[in-house]
Amino acid sequence: GNSVTQMEGPVTLSEEAFLTINCTYTATGYPSLFWYVQYPGEGLQLLLKATKADDKGSNKGFEATYRKETTSFHLEKGSVQVSDSAVYFCALSESAGGTSYGKLTFGQGTILTVHP
Amino acid sequence: NAGVTQTPKFRVLKTGQSMTLLCAQDMNHEYMYWYRQDPGMGLRLIHYSVGEGTTAKGEVPDGYNVSRLKKQNFLLGLESAAPSQTSVYFCASRKTGTSYNEQFFGPGTRLTVL
Repeated sequence: GNSVTQMEGPVTLSEEAFLTINCTYTATGYPSLFWYVQYPGEGLQLLLKATKADDKGSNKGFEATYRKETTSFHLEKGSVQVSDSAVYFCALSESAGGTSYGKLTFGQGTILTVHP
Repeated sequence: NAGVTQTPKFRVLKTGQSMTLLCAQDMNHEYMYWYRQDPGMGLRLIHYSVGEGTTAKGEVPDGYNVSRLKKQNFLLGLESAAPSQTSVYFCASRKTGTSYNEQFFGPGTRLTVL
């Protein structure tokens, strides 16, 4: 079955530091890949997505590239802010041609704390 | 446009008690999902629905039942709560179409079973 593995956290950085959160996946076919973010006390929000190999998703200074050859979708940001403190989830959805009905398989989440 | 709302936000149950969690969405989405979130395990799919009157099992369905009598509502029931069901429950909805359409999440319900 499908699975998503994220780097273990928590991750603690100083403001303006570079961020990388690793994500690798196992899936049949050609899944779509997502990063969701959960701010304290809130539900999950879509941060970015990529639907095919070599696609780069980007939003709010965050980027991730769909690497089929390494089955990875690592999240990066060049300069983090205190407001980026949150839990980040990598997720995949099976290819559109299947009958998965858009079900998401999530990684375990990575807690990011950014200090001033 | 409230998006996805969940009721209640918090609840404490005793073992063996029953309760229903309500999820409502005003985006006219066909697909709805119930997840549970546990520390170190991400979100796991409990049940989902692809339309009014239809439901299906997800990854961890045991101990839960669901109903989708109206398109905008998706109910999650616990008939006899157990401490293992202590968790944060999230509802989500998504429009039909390609699988990369975004899922929209509610704010969650924190359930404690004593």
